[in-house]
Amino acid sequence: RKEVEQDPGPFNVPEGATVAFNCTYSNSASQSFFWYRQDCRKEPKLLMSVYSSGNEDGRFTAQLNRASQYISLLIRDSKLSDSATYLCVVNLYNNNDMRFGAGTRLTVKP
Amino acid sequence: NAGVTQTPKFQVLKTGQSMTLQCAQDMNHNSMYWYRQDPGMGLRLIYYSASEGTTDKGEVPNGYNVSRLNKREFSLRLESAAPSQTSVYFCASRVDRSTDTQYFGPGTRLTVL
Repeated sequence: RKEVEQDPGPFNVPEGATVAFNCTYSNSASQSFFWYRQDCRKEPKLLMSVYSSGNEDGRFTAQLNRASQYISLLIRDSKLSDSATYLCVVNLYNNNDMRFGAGTRLTVKP
Repeated sequence: NAGVTQTPKFQVLKTGQSMTLQCAQDMNHNSMYWYRQDPGMGLRLIYYSASEGTTDKGEVPNGYNVSRLNKREFSLRLESAAPSQTSVYFCASRVDRSTDTQYFGPGTRLTVL
């Protein structure tokens, strides 16, 4: 089992759609979780942290399910500009070694 | 405030050649990191430096060396490049272990022939 695993997609959705990504992680003791966004041939940038109680930032909602060891990202009312690869990041062993998923590619079409 | 900068942006090497990738940050961060990203794979940690004067191996350190020259600069050296080291290399920094947000440089695209 991979330590941090994501559905690679691609997800192709129309503008205005709601889309959700999941990410599973292997260590039940992990404490910190994030979603990063990466545009083509660019560096990753933090989209949002994931808190135990779930958190929302505009059209984006992140949730953590500790029992099943996964985090999720929900994007509502998709925009063309949301097209990117979304990386799940877990501080798997609560140290300096942040583990990245392979990313989920999203394309939002007109 | 430039954030994290990396040089060069692109590099082509022949097998066996050596080179150093440079990284600098102007955010007064304590921790710095080197990752590689290959197609279909997530970023993998090569080395990190929790503070000036310290370095530690990450997930894939073989074939690389690092130097934390001062608080600002963290370099990655390939002593004898191999085709398997063809990749995109990202440098990152964060304040310290009190916060997990990492800031990434724009990357170096390296091809080893």
